[in-house]
Amino acid sequence: NFVLTQPHSVSESPGKTVTISCTRSSGSIASHYVQWYQQRPGSAPRVVIYEDNERPSGVPSRFSGSIDSSSNSASLTISGLRAEDEADYYCQSYDGSVTWVFGGGTELTVL
Amino acid sequence: QEQLVESGGGVVQPGRSLRLSCAASGFTFNNYVIHWVRQAPGKGLEWVAVTWFDGNDKYYADSVRGRFTISRDNSNNTIYLHMNSLRAEDTAVYYCARQRVVGASFDSWGQGSLVTVSS
Repeated sequence: NFVLTQPHSVSESPGKTVTISCTRSSGSIASHYVQWYQQRPGSAPRVVIYEDNERPSGVPSRFSGSIDSSSNSASLTISGLRAEDEADYYCQSYDGSVTWVFGGGTELTVL
Repeated sequence: QEQLVESGGGVVQPGRSLRLSCAASGFTFNNYVIHWVRQAPGKGLEWVAVTWFDGNDKYYADSVRGRFTISRDNSNNTIYLHMNSLRAEDTAVYYCARQRVVGASFDSWGQGSLVTVSS
């Protein structure tokens, strides 16, 4: 199995852009799609990016995802930050042997 | 309205058993792969188990394999998680989550059910 490593926390001011990284420890980041989930306090997670860079309906276009094979990582970028974006964010991928892996989560603070 | 609703959580002593349920509504249940995901207090998400469409294929995280059993009743649109030999480290909110028809994302989640393992 591989590990997905995320920064423990990030912070930025309203209106700015923030990027959260998710680095895969072994195997190629491109071998299986990466998803991103948002979890607000006291709520269940909800997917904000699936299949590396696709947005579900209802998720603002301010949210975008990408992968970078050179650094073996995925990124979630949120532009035009709003107070409502303050939450925990988790990356997730499939390991190919019928197990699913989540990153440790990143706490986003909107200053 | 598509919905997943967990139930069955509570306080249980170490070594005892508990069964969680996840009732689905608003979608064609047997068209979907369903997972259990847990979250220990103040911690991140941990994938626990998955059941395929007909319930015959099931897979588990190493941390629960041999102690937990996932099952599904397609006639009642319900998923179960049978948890045996519970340990303090199994204390968590347990979510059921639906996997998108195409791809690996979890596109619908229940509200969660808290399991506390304590003497």
